[in-house]
Amino acid sequence: GNSVTQMEGPVTLSEEAFLTINCTYTATGYPSLFWYVQYPGEGLQLLLKATKADDKGSNKGFEATYRKETTSFHLEKGSVQVSDSAVYFCALSGRQAGTALIFGKGTTLSVSS
Amino acid sequence: KAGVTQTPRYLIKTRGQQVTLSCSPISGHRSVSWYQQTPGQGLQFLFEYFSETQRNKGNFPGRFSGRQFSNSRSEMNVSTLELGDSALYLCASSLALAGELETQYFGPGTRLLVL
Repeated sequence: GNSVTQMEGPVTLSEEAFLTINCTYTATGYPSLFWYVQYPGEGLQLLLKATKADDKGSNKGFEATYRKETTSFHLEKGSVQVSDSAVYFCALSGRQAGTALIFGKGTTLSVSS
Repeated sequence: KAGVTQTPRYLIKTRGQQVTLSCSPISGHRSVSWYQQTPGQGLQFLFEYFSETQRNKGNFPGRFSGRQFSNSRSEMNVSTLELGDSALYLCASSLALAGELETQYFGPGTRLLVL
């Protein structure tokens, strides 16, 4: 079945450091890929998405590229801020109507000033 | 445009009781999905509704049920609550246009504590 694997956290960085959170997936066909972010006490917010191979999703300085050859969708940001501290979830979705999102277990990011 | 709203935000129940949670999707969104989030199991899909019909269902016992109304609002019900049902319940809505990417937008969740 489909699955998503994320690097274990927590990830602790200093402000302005470079961030990478690894995500790999297993899926049949050509899924869509997502990164969601969850701030303390809140629901999930869509951060970025990519729908086909080699697509690059980007938002708020975060980027991720859909790599079909390595089945990966790693999240990167060149310079993190304290306000980026949150839990990040990688997810995939099939293209069939009504299909569920399948999530990784989440990676906690803590950024200190 | 208002986002996905969920009520109530917090709920405390005791074992054996039942609970109903409500979700109002983004205006114009026709699909509503429900997810359970726990520290141990992470985010797990419960079910998805479109045009008042359940289209997809996750691997949860029959105590978990849902429905969708003609205005796309959705409710989920959990009967005979167990301690393990304590979780954050998230609702997500999407446009569900034919052939379009089903990007899901989440509400803030309802935190249920079962004592």
